Amino acid sequence: QQQVKQSPQSLIVQKGGISIINCAYENTAFDYFPWYQQFPGKGPALLIAIRPDVSEKKEGRFTISFNKSAKQFSLHIMDSQPGDSATYFCAASYYGGSQGNLIFGKGTKLSVKP
Amino acid sequence: IAGITQAPTSQILAAGRRMTLRCTQDMRHNAMYWYRQDLGLGLRLIHYSNTAGTTGKGEVPDGYSVSRANTDDFPLTLASAVPSQTSVYFCASSEYQSSEQFFGPGTRLTVL
Repeated sequence: QQQVKQSPQSLIVQKGGISIINCAYENTAFDYFPWYQQFPGKGPALLIAIRPDVSEKKEGRFTISFNKSAKQFSLHIMDSQPGDSATYFCAASYYGGSQGNLIFGKGTKLSVKP
Repeated sequence: IAGITQAPTSQILAAGRRMTLRCTQDMRHNAMYWYRQDLGLGLRLIHYSNTAGTTGKGEVPDGYSVSRANTDDFPLTLASAVPSQTSVYFCASSEYQSSEQFFGPGTRLTVL
């Protein structure tokens, strides 16, 4: 009930291409779905997040697509750049409450080739 | 600069030794967390604290202890280190338990 499954484990994309990372969750009570970006040697940092009242959220080249019925959400990186090379983590939780902590996926290592 | 600081940056430790990893935040966040990050396993929650004076166990608490005497500090102690505790440790904080988490720079710990 508490798992967040993330795929793929690693991804190689050419510069200018679209990177797509997928996550699936089990607990239908989750209402907050953030994505974190981590560069080598650094701590993760929030990239973009979505609540289930919308099906899509876009910030620059980064878009979250959310499918409530399928219990899935994905991160799309348009026009991928070498600077996007990092590890990406999806997560899920009950937002703003004391009912549970963020549950993280296992991460996707993205490499964008020039 | 507001944020989270961790110390030490890295440490090599003999098995059986006691070690405390330090974490301090200046954002007055209520919640704080300790994670370990291992290749292929992602971020695994060790312990957390929803507010000063309270702590809770995460996914992998065995061999670790924490305390939260005040809002700003959340030290993680390994009472008797073992090689399987070799990892990168991240401290994080958030305003509420499940809101955006801000991570520190990490501590790379090697137990020999």
